[in-house]
Amino acid sequence: AQKVTQAQTEISVVEKEDVTLDCVYETRDTTYYLFWYKQPPSGELVFLIRRNSFDEQNEISGRYSWNFQKSTSSFNFTITASQVVDSAVYFCALSDLTGANNLFFGTGTRLTVIP
Amino acid sequence: EPEVTQTPSHQVTQMGQEVILRCVPISNHLYFYWYRQILGQKVEFLVSFYNNEISEKSEIFDDQFSVERPDGSNFTLKIRSTKLEDSAMYFCASSQALSEQFFGPGTRLTVL
Repeated sequence: AQKVTQAQTEISVVEKEDVTLDCVYETRDTTYYLFWYKQPPSGELVFLIRRNSFDEQNEISGRYSWNFQKSTSSFNFTITASQVVDSAVYFCALSDLTGANNLFFGTGTRLTVIP
Repeated sequence: EPEVTQTPSHQVTQMGQEVILRCVPISNHLYFYWYRQILGQKVEFLVSFYNNEISEKSEIFDDQFSVERPDGSNFTLKIRSTKLEDSAMYFCASSQALSEQFFGPGTRLTVL
């Protein structure tokens, strides 16, 4: 069965600090996708990234970067030089490649960036 | 940029009443989903829909729930007899084949 663990329930940082959000997953599938979504205070879910289990290359997009380590079943998300607008709940999610590709979400990490 | 839309944004209903939550997925998407998020908790999968039928459903999606794609654009979630514990944010999502899912803004359902 799929499981996603986000052990950090809440994190507070001061603006311009870097912050890393942890995500550990469990799956019996050899092929799967990993995702990060952002949920700002307005409530919508904003897609940030999708990673294929075959691709362990780290990815950088502006101030965001992701570190995928299959050996430790982790897919961590780092925000560099955090800004107040980064304040949100961040969800890590997992899907397999069978059926309809349903998403299994972690419990989320609430990030507060203090000005 | 195309987006998933949902109506209404907030629905208040009495326990035992039927509600229908509506979604308009992105037009060229093939897979449609409903998720729910009880306040302060994680997002949970309810059901996926492809080719005019349910692909998968979770344990949450019991007989009181149903989904329908009544025309070429809408995708609905019906809850037949609402319970207090159905109060949650309900998200619709759509995707092309096995790609990232794009979520609507959600419908907040409050059952009194």
